[in-house]
Amino acid sequence: GQSLEQPSEVTAVEGAIVQINCTYQTSGFYGLSWYQQHDGGAPTFLSYNALDGLEETGRFSSFLSRSDSYGYLLLQELQMKDSASYFCAVNRDDKIIFGKGTRLHILP
Amino acid sequence: SAVISQKPSRDICQRGTSLTIQCQVDSQVTMMFWYRQQPGQSLTLIATANQGSEATYESGFVIDKFPISRPNLTFSTLTVSNMSPEDSSIYLCSVRQALSGANVLTFGAGSRLTVL
Repeated sequence: GQSLEQPSEVTAVEGAIVQINCTYQTSGFYGLSWYQQHDGGAPTFLSYNALDGLEETGRFSSFLSRSDSYGYLLLQELQMKDSASYFCAVNRDDKIIFGKGTRLHILP
Repeated sequence: SAVISQKPSRDICQRGTSLTIQCQVDSQVTMMFWYRQQPGQSLTLIATANQGSEATYESGFVIDKFPISRPNLTFSTLTVSNMSPEDSSIYLCSVRQALSGANVLTFGAGSRLTVL
């Protein structure tokens, strides 16, 4: 089977940095993705890691360690609009499986 | 990336009835996926719909309850049959595309079903 673990909620202050961790167990692993979902909206793709290391896209970065079955999403210079749920997802050759999601609360 | 039109956006349904959700994509795609998301919860994969073959269902989901059609490379439907209140959820269709080396899912806006 497969499983993904990520914190259910994280709270941070506007302008700060926050890291959302994800550990996974799966067969046929191709890569780890991150998606953002605002209340009432559809999930949207943020980042993807197929290889170990850090991928940076603007204020967002994502990291993967395949040997540790671990990844994280790093959000810098937090803005109020970053308040959303963030899902890690394992990419397999046949499908993409999502974690339970982390609700990010941002305080002014 | 692909643009997906999904309808209905929401509906209120009576117990025991069935509802068909439609998903139209603006480009041809090989793989389409149907997910379910209960409020505040994660996205659970229902099935993978490939054109020209039977849909592949995940554990806990069966064709009699969630029949899927995939008549061509731009369209799919999901039917929720014999609905009960436990089927109240958001149903999302999605397509997978390769973008800059990544397999990326693009989602429709979702169909929010409430079963009374």
